[in-house]
Amino acid sequence: QKEVEQNSGPLSVPEGAIASLNCTYSDRGSQSFFWYRQYSGKSPELIMSIYSNGDKEDGRFTAQLNKASQYVSLLIRDSQPSDSATYLCAVGNYGQNFVFGPGTRLSVLP
Amino acid sequence: GAVVSQHPSWVICKSGTSVKIECRSLDFQATTMFWYRQFPKKSLMLMATSNEGSKATYEQGVEKDKFLINHASLTLSTLTVTSAHPEDSSFYICSTSGGVGTDTQYFGPGTRLTVL
Repeated sequence: QKEVEQNSGPLSVPEGAIASLNCTYSDRGSQSFFWYRQYSGKSPELIMSIYSNGDKEDGRFTAQLNKASQYVSLLIRDSQPSDSATYLCAVGNYGQNFVFGPGTRLSVLP
Repeated sequence: GAVVSQHPSWVICKSGTSVKIECRSLDFQATTMFWYRQFPKKSLMLMATSNEGSKATYEQGVEKDKFLINHASLTLSTLTVTSAHPEDSSFYICSTSGGVGTDTQYFGPGTRLTVL
């Protein structure tokens, strides 16, 4: 059974710090990797996708992928209170449905 | 990214009634849509995959006769919760794949169902 694991948190960081969110997955055949942010009572919104090993940066967000270690992470620089949310890792394999992790709750303290 | 709408955004109904939730892909033709359910403080649970013009594929443990899915066009999928009970109260969210060449999923805003 394909699994995606995340620490449930809460992960608390002070405002302005770097928040590091981690995700591991079990299916070595996975090809696509996504980070979603979900505010309480809202639906998930896409932050980033990554398909190749290495880093991908978008503004304050950096996704890191290591397929050999079956590990994907999300770094949030200069964390803001508005970043407080649950972050969902999703892993896909073209043509098949995503597998979502349980999410990590991030709290950025002012 | 793709724009997905859902209607209604929230609904309250009496036990035993049926509720229909619509999911629309507004800016591209979606051959596949997904329906999720999320209970408070819990993770997303995939209920079914909705395929245009064919029967939906349900996840294990999801009653296909209770959660009726119709994907009659490339822009609309509907989920009908039949004979709803209080335990069906949840946040129902649909998503679509982003189109040809990508498997990115874009989510609708969700529908909060409360069954009294």
